[in-house]
Amino acid sequence: GAVVSQHPSRVICKSGTSVKIECRSLDFQATTMFWYRQFPKQSLMLMATSNEGSKATYEQGVEKDKFLINHASLTLSTLTVTSAHPEDSSFYICSAPQGDGSPLHFGNGTRLTVT
Amino acid sequence: GQNIDQPTEMTATEGAIVQINCTYQTSGFNGLFWYQQHAGEAPTFLSYNVLDGLEEKGRFSSFLSRSKGYSYLLLKELQMKDSASYLCAVKDSNYQLIWGAGTKLIIKP
Repeated sequence: GAVVSQHPSRVICKSGTSVKIECRSLDFQATTMFWYRQFPKQSLMLMATSNEGSKATYEQGVEKDKFLINHASLTLSTLTVTSAHPEDSSFYICSAPQGDGSPLHFGNGTRLTVT
Repeated sequence: GQNIDQPTEMTATEGAIVQINCTYQTSGFNGLFWYQQHAGEAPTFLSYNVLDGLEEKGRFSSFLSRSKGYSYLLLKELQMKDSASYLCAVKDSNYQLIWGAGTKLIIKP
């Protein structure tokens, strides 16, 4: 069964609004979670690393004020896309390692469409 | 810099065998992963290699040569449902995952 749950799977929002995406680890604690973005026919791009109890680490070129990450507990990380624009439309995927050396478990992804 | 190379696209016939290669140049090595990703879906884990050699898992096998910075994913008895992108990823010395761009595999009847 799925070990990482991501919600919602699809969301359509209007330009200028904010959207929150949740990522939960099931049956294990994740001190670290990763947020990826994937545009059509392109590979995964790491946006940021979410760290429980501390600030997220953002990759170069990712605006931390636009993509707010909160890792409030050992099983939940949230990504909020603030003031969304059509160019933010993408497939957002979270993932978490179950332990050192273990593979990343991915959520099912969130298809965001900004109109 | 860190780099992972894999072919952009491959085509194979149902029932046949296909080998997808991956070469990497990373700062350190702590394991290599293969993932399968169907269009519009999240990646799913296929295999993990940290020592040299072949790991077999049903119709799928993965091989690693650390000295050559090389891995391949071997898919046997291809089925139409195997049409997907296959992603190679390496954990570097900082345990950061470096992703390849993926190989789109097209299976023809």
